[in-house]
Amino acid sequence: EEQLVESGGGLVQPGRSLRLSCTGSGFTFGDYAISWVRQAPGKGLEWVGFIRIKTYGGTTEKAASLKGRFTISRDDSKSIAYLQMNRLKTEDTAVYYCTRIGRYYYDNDEYYSFDYWGQGTLVTVSS
Amino acid sequence: DIQMTQSPSSLSASVGDRVTISCRASQSIGDYLNWYQHKPGKAPKLLIYAASTLQSGVPSRFSGSGSGTDFALSISSLQPEDLATYYCQQSYSNTYTFGQGTKLEIK
Repeated sequence: EEQLVESGGGLVQPGRSLRLSCTGSGFTFGDYAISWVRQAPGKGLEWVGFIRIKTYGGTTEKAASLKGRFTISRDDSKSIAYLQMNRLKTEDTAVYYCTRIGRYYYDNDEYYSFDYWGQGTLVTVSS
Repeated sequence: DIQMTQSPSSLSASVGDRVTISCRASQSIGDYLNWYQHKPGKAPKLLIYAASTLQSGVPSRFSGSGSGTDFALSISSLQPEDLATYYCQQSYSNTYTFGQGTKLEIK
């Protein structure tokens, strides 16, 4: 059974750093891109960024508002993806989810969707 | 960036009602549109991809339609367990933008 588990959340002071981990199981981790999504209290889902598979260079894309502070990486030997968050702000307080980006083929075309999600880890940025 | 706008923001309906949620993209995205269901305290769940293709295991009362800029998620006969917030998401570009969500309440 495919599973993703986030860890590393907690209380952190503004300006500090935190690294979240996303551990996958039940599937070949290295064959899938991994994305991070967050939900601030009382708000909707916000896409944070994703990392491609090594075949496509393992490169990343991130939301424009987060560039320069957040970094995504992966270690396929451990089936883990990371979200490094620097210079944290109070508005970064949220539940952070990692998701698998599944590839689906329909009508001779390829589609991407977030087909498996972790349960989320809460990050609270407060002094 | 592609913006996704959902309407309404919230919706109250009775068990057995047909419910429709709309989603509009700021530019044409073909049929690169996903729908998710998010229940409180749970992980979001993929319902539909490619605008109208039901994910495996999703009840057939859910359906999706649309292409280009205008899309819809319909529930043919609302059930109590459908209480959730529903999100559309574009997968046309690499920025995977979500709509702001539609909170569905059961009367």
